Amino acid sequence: AQRVTQPEKLLSVFKGAPVELKCNYSYSGSPELFWYVQYSRQRLQLLLRHISRESIKGFTADLNKGETSFHLKKPFAQEEDSAMYYCALSANSGNTPLVFGKGTRLSVIA
Amino acid sequence: DTGVSQDPRHKITKRGQNVTFRCDPISEHNRLYWYRQTLGQGPEFLTYFQNEAQLEKSRLLSDRFSAERPKGSFSTLEIQRTEQGDSAMYLCASSSRQGLEAFFGQGTRLTVV
Repeated sequence: AQRVTQPEKLLSVFKGAPVELKCNYSYSGSPELFWYVQYSRQRLQLLLRHISRESIKGFTADLNKGETSFHLKKPFAQEEDSAMYYCALSANSGNTPLVFGKGTRLSVIA
Repeated sequence: DTGVSQDPRHKITKRGQNVTFRCDPISEHNRLYWYRQTLGQGPEFLTYFQNEAQLEKSRLLSDRFSAERPKGSFSTLEIQRTEQGDSAMYLCASSSRQGLEAFFGQGTRLTVV
């Protein structure tokens, strides 16, 4: 069975500081990894997926198959980054429904 | 708003009553998913459809839960004989095909009293 672990429930950083939200997964096959974000009073939305290898709103994430990790990073946090972040995995090269972690609340302090 | 739409947004019901939720996906999307989210947890998969076919059901989906997507468009999720443990946010999502971005609705918050 697939599992996604986000070890931090809450992460507080100062504006302009680097951010790293951790995500580890358990799956022996070929996963597709995603980061979803939920801003206050908004619906859950896709932030980025590993296969796209793109930077969205300054965030990047690299899939490390050796460490089974997909950490989300941003060099300089902004106040508008404050939100709930969920890491998610789709097994079998994206052919199965998403399995989510419990989420990390990022709070950026001015 | 042309995104995924869920109705109602909030539902309070007495224990033992039946409730039904509706989800209207993005019109060209053939995959539709139901998730449940409780406080402090990420969304947990319940079931999904490709067109009108229900392809997978989670073990979380007890016999009291049933979902339909009769014409491959909107979907309904029914909970019979509700229990307090059913209190949660029920999320619907849709995608155009496997592996692509899933778009989420705003959810239906169920409170069983």
